Amino acid sequence: QLQLQESGPGLVKPSETLSLSCTVSGGSISSSTYYWGWIRQPPGKGPEWIGSIYYSGSTYYNPTLKSRVSVSVDTSKNQLSLKLSSVTAADTAVYYCATANYYFEYWGQGTLVTVSS
Amino acid sequence: EIVLTQSPDFQSVTPKEKVTITCRASQSIGSSLHWYQQKPGQSPKLLIKYASQPFSGVPSRFSGSGSGTDFTLTINSLEAEDGATYYCQQSSGVPATFGQGTKVEIK
Repeated sequence: QLQLQESGPGLVKPSETLSLSCTVSGGSISSSTYYWGWIRQPPGKGPEWIGSIYYSGSTYYNPTLKSRVSVSVDTSKNQLSLKLSSVTAADTAVYYCATANYYFEYWGQGTLVTVSS
Repeated sequence: EIVLTQSPDFQSVTPKEKVTITCRASQSIGSSLHWYQQKPGQSPKLLIKYASQPFSGVPSRFSGSGSGTDFTLTINSLEAEDGATYYCQQSSGVPATFGQGTKVEIK
């Protein structure tokens, strides 16, 4: 059974870069079985897909965030990473990592990131 | 971007009642529609994939139907543990998008 766990700062200042990691256990991030993705959910709102990556390194981003987003994998650590630059208060949300093969099967518990000075 | 609109936004239901939630897509998406349940403080959980295929371990009272632009999630004989917000999500177009959610409250 795959398990995913997000980690990173809970508070980021406006205009700075949000950086999160997701550690995968119970399976290899290098497996061809899954795409890996990031989803966020602002307080009281529905989820929003941010981007996904395949073990080969192919990436897919939400066009509304594409200019600010980078998703990568570190196979040596079995980790997925997210970087979101030039953040504003609108980027305040719970950020989830998940398997992302068209639907989102396995999810992490999520981590709240607040953008505030 | 494909927009998904769910109805109703909120429903207050008595245990054992039948619940029906609809999801309408702004353009045809075939069967590329998935349903999730989210309880407060938890991550969403996959219930139904590709409109009508139950995900592993999901109780049989949950079912999905539809294709094209109109989809339905049905909960037969609602149980107290089913109080949650339900979301639809499409994978036909990029970006993947979610509906705004339907909150089901147990009376």
